[in-house]
Amino acid sequence: QSALTQPASVSGSPGQSITISCTGTSSDVGKYNVVSWYQQHPGKAPKLIVYEVTKRPSGVSNRFSGSKSGDTASLTISGLQAEDEADYICCSYGGSNNPLVFGAGTKVTVL
Amino acid sequence: QVTLRESGPALVMPTQTLTLTCSFSGFSLSTSGMCVTWIRQSPGKALEWLARIDWDDDKFYRTSLKTRLTISKDTSKNQVVLTMTNVDPVDAATYYCARLLTGAEGPLIDFWGQGTLVSVSS
Repeated sequence: QSALTQPASVSGSPGQSITISCTGTSSDVGKYNVVSWYQQHPGKAPKLIVYEVTKRPSGVSNRFSGSKSGDTASLTISGLQAEDEADYICCSYGGSNNPLVFGAGTKVTVL
Repeated sequence: QVTLRESGPALVMPTQTLTLTCSFSGFSLSTSGMCVTWIRQSPGKALEWLARIDWDDDKFYRTSLKTRLTISKDTSKNQVVLTMTNVDPVDAATYYCARLLTGAEGPLIDFWGQGTLVSVSS
């Protein structure tokens, strides 16, 4: 039951676009289109921002977009804003024996 | 409005049993497709899925922890309880409960609690 690999940190200036990667295996990210992304501000509950690789829940800004290529999923934040400074966690379905696999999170810093 | 809140001891001694309660509102665990799941995160490590209980009382556990975990629900109280026996310092983590939906594509966690920090020390 291996974890997903995310960069520890990513930074960008206001208005820029940044991309966070989430690398799994052919048994999870590569096999299922069930990748979700969560935003977590310090001391707060994680918030769902992308699910099923590319879908956004109602009310989530369209500045957040998800994609996948092979065993790697990605979250892109465009038009970076100060309020986007948070941790971002990816999650993938891994089959019946490994239902949910997570990354350790990526800290996004707005310079 | 869906909310979840974890509660339990902040400090547990090694070999003891940890009992965590998830109190939730805004949905019913008797509704088809509704599930509650527990996840934990140790500092600097990936989040780790622990257990899940479904509306129909089906239960699922992380394979490596299956012998130590028990999950149960009290639908009338809107609560889910997770117990972990024989805790060890490696079990120190922030424990989260979350709502999980089962769909055609696969499971989806859509709402989380804020988490509760558990330390393990004598």
